[in-house]
Amino acid sequence: QVTLRESGPALLKPAQTLTLTCSFSGFSLTTNGMCVSLVRQSPGKALEWLARIDWDDDKKYNTSLRTRLSISRDTSKNQVVLRMTNMDPLDTGTYYCVRTRQDYSYALDVWGQGTTVTVSS
Amino acid sequence: SYELTQPPSLSVSPGQTASINCSGKNLGDKYVCWYQQKPGQSPVLVVYQDSKRPSGVPERFSGSNSGNTATLTIGGTQAVDEADYYCQVWDSTTAIFGGGTRLAVL
Repeated sequence: QVTLRESGPALLKPAQTLTLTCSFSGFSLTTNGMCVSLVRQSPGKALEWLARIDWDDDKKYNTSLRTRLSISRDTSKNQVVLRMTNMDPLDTGTYYCVRTRQDYSYALDVWGQGTTVTVSS
Repeated sequence: SYELTQPPSLSVSPGQTASINCSGKNLGDKYVCWYQQKPGQSPVLVVYQDSKRPSGVPERFSGSNSGNTATLTIGGTQAVDEADYYCQVWDSTTAIFGGGTRLAVL
């Protein structure tokens, strides 16, 4: 059974850095074709893709947020970490960790439960 | 940057067919995924590679993609299908989501 779980601070102040950890089980990020994406959703808004890290440690980013994002992995712990700098109240929302499969043409096939992040002074 | 456009809302009667469109330039040249999101829940993949269904997704969900429009079709819509639906593609190395369509089953 594939599961993903996000963890991180529920509340941040403007200008702080978000460090979000995605812990997963049921698959390995070293298996050919496996990837993990981070997606967020502001309250009442559409989904927004943030970043992806692949089995070969290749990394992709949302171009409009590229300067603020950094994604990394710890394969020994089955974890992915997303860092987003200079947080703003507009970054408030639910952040999802999602398995992504190359053999599904990079469909986001299993989603975590999400973690809510509020940015407020 | 690439954009996907969906109608904000759609209403359908139980048992009828719901067709949710997603439009984008030369969309037929890309693979489209569809996600279902019920209130307070995480999204669920219901269609990938335009028309394939993941294991566990009911057969009443189907997809197509041609030209500038992709369509998610729900045949024999049920009350449990009431949700937000998002289309998604990869534009080069960036994932793009549509704005979502709220499906009401009335």
